[in-house]
Parts: sequence; C-alpha cells; structure tokens
Amino acid sequence: GAVVSQHPSWVICKSGTSVKIECRSLDFQATTMFWYRQFPKQSLMLMATSNEGSKATYEQGVEKDKFLINHASLTLSTLTVTSAHPEDSSFYICSAYRTGYYEQYFGPGTRLTVT
Amino acid sequence: GENVEQHPSTLSVQEGDSAVIKCTYSDSASNYFPWYKQELGKRPQLIIDIRSNVGEKKDQRIAVTLNKTAKHFSLHITETQPEDSAVYFCAASIGNQGGKLIFGQGTELSVKP
Repeated sequence: GAVVSQHPSWVICKSGTSVKIECRSLDFQATTMFWYRQFPKQSLMLMATSNEGSKATYEQGVEKDKFLINHASLTLSTLTVTSAHPEDSSFYICSAYRTGYYEQYFGPGTRLTVT
Repeated sequence: GENVEQHPSTLSVQEGDSAVIKCTYSDSASNYFPWYKQELGKRPQLIIDIRSNVGEKKDQRIAVTLNKTAKHFSLHITETQPEDSAVYFCAASIGNQGGKLIFGQGTELSVKP
C-alpha cells in the first residue's frame, strides 16, 4: 500500500514555456502533499506544502508565482513551473502524508530539463 | 530556522565493515526521525525511522539511535554489502507542522567488495 505516482517521469521543454507535474496518491487519501526539488549531488529541498482545498505554503526563497501548486483533491496535487528557464532544470519529487501518521510516501520524481 | 546537520558527506568502507552516519537537529519539538536511502535518479526509500519516545531501533543489519538531550541521532549499518552503496539522508520532523521534514545534506556511502 501507500503508493504515490508522478507524471511525467521526465520532460524536456524550451525556455519560457510552462510544465505541469502531477502527483497522485493511488491507494490512500493524502491530507498533505509536499513538493521538493533536488539538484545533482544535493539534498532534498522543500519547496512548498500543499493541503487539499487551500493555498499552498511556500518555503522562503521559493517564488509562488513561478511554481504554481494546486491541490484539487485528496489524491492529486500538481506543480506547474511557469516560464521555465535552464536554472529550473532539476529533479522534482512529491510526497504524500496523512494526518496522524508519521511517514511520508515519495513519488518516483520528475526530471525536468529546460533547454 | 530549523536545521539538520549530517556527517560525513562521503564514507567508504570495505565489505563486511560497519558504517555510521550521524545527524544533529535544532528543533527541540522534532519527534520523528526517518532515514532514507536514495539511488541515483530514484525516489528516497525509507529504510528505518525512530520516534522521540524511543532511544534505539533495529531492523536486521540497520539500527538507529536517538539522543534527545543532545539532539543527535545516528544510523548504523553492520556487515555492509556492495548493494548498500547509495546516498543516505537523515531527516527530522518540524514540530507542529503536520508531517513536514527537514533533510540533512546526505552521505554518499561506498562499499568496496
């Protein structure tokens, strides 16, 4: 149980375009989803916390107008990278969490390359 | 702000030896401390976790110890195998923030056959 999927697994886009990444919890309802970014040989950096039906909470230094997060249901959250630039190229990982439990369940990640 | 420090950044051991990775955290309200193994291009995989009401937990070759007073926790891997080679991350929950974790910087473990 506790499976989280992400789509797409990898994407290449041109500078200036937008890219949407989906995160789904397949067999449980997630009260919260987290979005992380990971650059090569670095740790996971939390970008934002997403709760169903409410606005996402962004970490300091993360541009909320550039990284749009929508948490439409208890099983789906989306991250849209708007006006992508090469420096946005990274590995984006989501995780799903249920209130009252401890563990976060990670998606497989999305490799974004902006050319 | 909250912080987790992890050491060492790289660790090389011979197969069969033990490996120890250490983390310190700053938030006294942290109550959950997971350890993850991440292979290149893959998602972090939970290998063991410990809650603040427990001092030690073991699962086969892997153990974690927690010292709440010192705000320090460690991962111990015994009888290492080449397939243990990966990057390991510690993390600590941030108090009263609904599952939010802060991660350490990571340790690249290399087990030489």
